[in-house]
Amino acid sequence: DTAVSQTPKYLVTQMGNDKSIKCEQNLGHDTMYWYKQDSKKFLKIMFSYNNKELIINETVPNRFSPKSPDKAHLNLHINSLELGDSAVYFCASSQLAGPTYEQYFGPGTRLTVT
Amino acid sequence: AQSVTQLDSHVSVSEGTPVLLRCNYSSSYSPSLFWYVQHPNKGLQLLLKYTSAATLVKGINGFEAEFKKSETSFHLTKPSAHMSDAAEYFCVVSEDGEYGNKLVFGAGTILRVKS
Repeated sequence: DTAVSQTPKYLVTQMGNDKSIKCEQNLGHDTMYWYKQDSKKFLKIMFSYNNKELIINETVPNRFSPKSPDKAHLNLHINSLELGDSAVYFCASSQLAGPTYEQYFGPGTRLTVT
Repeated sequence: AQSVTQLDSHVSVSEGTPVLLRCNYSSSYSPSLFWYVQHPNKGLQLLLKYTSAATLVKGINGFEAEFKKSETSFHLTKPSAHMSDAAEYFCVVSEDGEYGNKLVFGAGTILRVKS
């Protein structure tokens, strides 16, 4: 059973389009995250939700809007896609929001904006 | 803010020889530190974590890391490299904010294993 799953795995789209990436975890965790890995492999957090509530919102354009319908899901919607949004997006989850809890990562979604 | 510096962007070793991936951290208090590995076109997998218990931490696949507060280091080692260890390794510090914690990643070290 996949612990943290993301769909789609690959997403190719044109500038200006709106797209969504879905994430689901079956670990019973309370906290979920979105990270962005750029072309140089640098990973940076975007958002964190704890029990469906937003707790971390890094400096991310308003075009990115996370939504958590329940504890097991955290989706990422991106409006008006730009070339610079091309990256690999990773979803992660942890049991709770404290610093000692390791995060479990999904396989990633490679987004290419043309 | 906390940060980590991975001192080598690339490390190349021969199969069967020791591996050393270096990481220094910056933190105002006792941090939680992790090493993650990313194989090509794959997600991230936790290798090991330090959370203020034993300073020598053992992880999966024969890897271990030692937390040295005096040197602010958390280097990753393995006695004998295997071809399957070729991957990118990230040293990570967990930063605890007012509302939640986030992982702060180093820039990564690509490990190449020669046969």
